[in-house]
Amino acid sequence: GENVEQHPSTLSVQEGDSAVIKCTYSDSASNYFPWYKQELGKRPQLIIDIRSNVGEKKDQRIAVTLNKTAKHFSLHITETQPEDSAVYFCAATLTGGGNKLTFGTGTQLKVEL
Amino acid sequence: EAQVTQNPRYLITVTGKKLTVTCSQNMNHEYMSWYRQDPGLGLRQIYYSMNVEVTDKGDVPEGYKVSRKEKRNFPLILESPSPNQTSLYFCASSLSTSSTDTQYFGPGTRLTVL
Repeated sequence: GENVEQHPSTLSVQEGDSAVIKCTYSDSASNYFPWYKQELGKRPQLIIDIRSNVGEKKDQRIAVTLNKTAKHFSLHITETQPEDSAVYFCAATLTGGGNKLTFGTGTQLKVEL
Repeated sequence: EAQVTQNPRYLITVTGKKLTVTCSQNMNHEYMSWYRQDPGLGLRQIYYSMNVEVTDKGDVPEGYKVSRKEKRNFPLILESPSPNQTSLYFCASSLSTSSTDTQYFGPGTRLTVL
């Protein structure tokens, strides 16, 4: 089955700096890569996603890049703010695999003042 | 308001006492799924359902049952809970079974089995 690895497990940045979280997946049939943000005690919420036919997608301070050849994708947050502090999960779904999300193990991002 | 709801939000129980966690969505979604979240392991799928009366195992189904008698409801049943089922549980749903459909999560149920 699909396996998604996520790094780093914790990330601390200064406010205003950029943060990058990286994920790799194992199954080349994966075609959809969402990123979820989970604040303490809350549910995971989708912040951005990318489909396999696109190499990059941007939404204000957040961007995701996908390298299908290398089977990895990354989340980039620019100009970080304290409210960006949360756990971020990457995930992947397989073409023809229904809508099963395989998650990475999460990255605890802390934005320090 | 479009949403996924779960009940209860918190539950402390003892080993072997059957329990049910309910999940309901009001968005007419076809696909529903249960995940458990454990520190260092991320979220792992327990069971999923592609439509009414259609359910299948995810990655960690042992010790769990589900049913999908109505489109809106997808309860998670623990017939004989054990301490290793202490976890944070999330229900999720999406409009269709397409692999590119966004999944929306419920608020979570924190279960402790003593």
